[in-house]
Amino acid sequence: GAGVSQTPSNKVTEKGKYVELRCDPISGHTALYWYRQSLGQGPEFLIYFQGTGAADDSGLPNDRFFAVRPEGSVSTLKIQRTERGDSAVYLCASSRGLPGAYEQFFGPGTRLTVL
Amino acid sequence: AQSVTQPDIHITVSEGASLELRCNYSYGATPYLFWYVQSPGQGLQLLLKYFSGDTLVQGIKGFEAEFKRSQSSFNLRKPSVHWSDAAEYFCAVGAGSGGGADGLTFGKGTHLIIQP
Repeated sequence: GAGVSQTPSNKVTEKGKYVELRCDPISGHTALYWYRQSLGQGPEFLIYFQGTGAADDSGLPNDRFFAVRPEGSVSTLKIQRTERGDSAVYLCASSRGLPGAYEQFFGPGTRLTVL
Repeated sequence: AQSVTQPDIHITVSEGASLELRCNYSYGATPYLFWYVQSPGQGLQLLLKYFSGDTLVQGIKGFEAEFKRSQSSFNLRKPSVHWSDAAEYFCAVGAGSGGGADGLTFGKGTHLIIQP
């Protein structure tokens, strides 16, 4: 079956601009996660959704970052007033249920470059 | 809060030789432990996971890992590596019964190089 898909695969923007990154999870997966992976680092947790609600947003670095999942499926990560330090690969993952207890399936990521 | 240390940034192994990648974790309760592999241009793929029970877990592609609570370790092993195993390997910990942040905490990764 189809895996987790993310669009766009690459996004180049200028400092100060607004960007939206989209994640399409595996059908039927109720849990959805966003991570950020900087060069040479492991993925860093940003936010976790169970259904439509953000159950844990403790990893969001500041209020420029926001994510939604209005219908409990597709999610959008929104970054306002982008900064060069936001450049990274943004990964989305989904799983069948409770965090930790189920395998997280990762998408290929969106590479964000802020000039 | 949980944390993961992968002490080796790079490891070079000859094809056919055995492999061990180290992972140490910090977590107050029984953790969920994972090893993921990331090849260039590919997404993260789960190799194996430990939730409970037998401390030696088998994964895909001939990999295994052993959970040692006394050493807070979850080292990944393979008896004979293939050139296709060259990739970045990440150890991760998830909150178990003790709660904590709901996402996985990853180590910085170990880059595996296979020599012919």
